[in-house]
Amino acid sequence: GENVEQHPSTLSVQEGDSAVIKCTYSDSASNYFPWYKQELGKRPQLIIDIRSNVGEKKDQRIAVTLNKTAKHFSLHITETQPEDSAVYFCAATPEAGGTSYGKLTFGQGTILTVHP
Amino acid sequence: GAVVSQHPSWVICKSGTSVKIECRSLDFQATTMFWYRQFPKQSLMLMATSNEGSKATYEQGVEKDKFLINHASLTLSTLTVTSAHPEDSSFYICSASRDSHQPQHFGDGTRLSIL
Repeated sequence: GENVEQHPSTLSVQEGDSAVIKCTYSDSASNYFPWYKQELGKRPQLIIDIRSNVGEKKDQRIAVTLNKTAKHFSLHITETQPEDSAVYFCAATPEAGGTSYGKLTFGQGTILTVHP
Repeated sequence: GAVVSQHPSWVICKSGTSVKIECRSLDFQATTMFWYRQFPKQSLMLMATSNEGSKATYEQGVEKDKFLINHASLTLSTLTVTSAHPEDSSFYICSASRDSHQPQHFGDGTRLSIL
């Protein structure tokens, strides 16, 4: 099955700095890679996602890059703000075919702290 | 759109009790719903995949007789933790998607505490 590794486990930055979180995956059949933000005791919220037919996607201060050859993808947050502080999870799934169809495998999570 | 409601949000009960958790997609029809368990400071672990009108598919190591899943309609799936014990205490979260090509949207989660 799929295995997703996420680094770092904790990340502390100053307000205004950039934050980068990296994930690697093992299953070459995976072709959909969402990123979720989870605040303490709350639901994971989808913040951005990318499919394997593109290498980069951007939404305001958030961007995701994907390298299918190397099987890794990264989340980039620019101009960080204190409200960006949360736990961020990457995930991977094959979207079509096989027994893992649609199932998300999550990374271990990154605790991001943005200091004012 | 894509709102998922989960109820209850918090349950405290005695060991041996069975607890039912509901997951509803409020503004869309969900052909597939997923149930996850999350221990403190850990990631989400998939327990089972629930498809409307058919039996749930459980992940390896998850006891299907202990975690009963019913997906009776396109907007409702339930997870029943039978004869719960303290080790079952966890944060249980459901998610739903319109189909497997669509993002999963999560419910607010249910914090289950077994005394």
